[in-house]
Amino acid sequence: AQSVAQPEDQVNVAEGNPLTVKCTYSVSGNPYLFWYVQYPNRGLQFLLKYITGDNLVKGSYGFEAEFNKSQTSFHLKKPSALVSDSALYFCAVRDPGGFKTIFGAGTRLFVKA
Amino acid sequence: DAGVIQSPRHEVTEMGQEVTLRCKPISGHDYLFWYRQTMMRGLELLIYFNNNVPIDDSGMPEDRFSAKMPNASFSTLKIQPSEPRDSAVYFCASSRTGGAADTQYFGPGTRLTVL
Repeated sequence: AQSVAQPEDQVNVAEGNPLTVKCTYSVSGNPYLFWYVQYPNRGLQFLLKYITGDNLVKGSYGFEAEFNKSQTSFHLKKPSALVSDSALYFCAVRDPGGFKTIFGAGTRLFVKA
Repeated sequence: DAGVIQSPRHEVTEMGQEVTLRCKPISGHDYLFWYRQTMMRGLELLIYFNNNVPIDDSGMPEDRFSAKMPNASFSTLKIQPSEPRDSAVYFCASSRTGGAADTQYFGPGTRLTVL
């Protein structure tokens, strides 16, 4: 069965510093991986996805994610954090043969000015 | 595009009452998904539709929950009777196709509180 884990409940980073939000997955076959962000009282917003091809995926708001097949990871990164990046981030996985998306528990990112 | 629209944004009701949540997907999207988000269980898929037909409702917690999609632009999720443990944020999402690579777009959610 497919699953996704976000090992950190919370990540704290200072504004201007690089940030990483971790995600690992388990799925049979080649995974489709997604990152979403949720701001308070808002729905999930799509950031980026990995389907195939280049392991480094670039997305919205300067975010990028690196797919690592050997480590079954898909960590979200940004070179320079902004206070406005503070939000809840969800990693999600879908196996190519299915319609169901499995979401991680979420990681809360705090960016301090 | 207006995005996925949900109403109401907030609903407070008393135990035993019927609750109806509404969703308008993005025009041209053939798939519609209902999710529930709680602190304890995270984000769970309840049911999804393809071209207005329910495909998988295995995530619907109990018979008290039902969902319909009478046309391509409208879906409802109904809870009857409601219970305090149904308190959660309910999201509707839509995608153009059901393909595994396709992106789902989420509405703002309905925060349900059952007293």
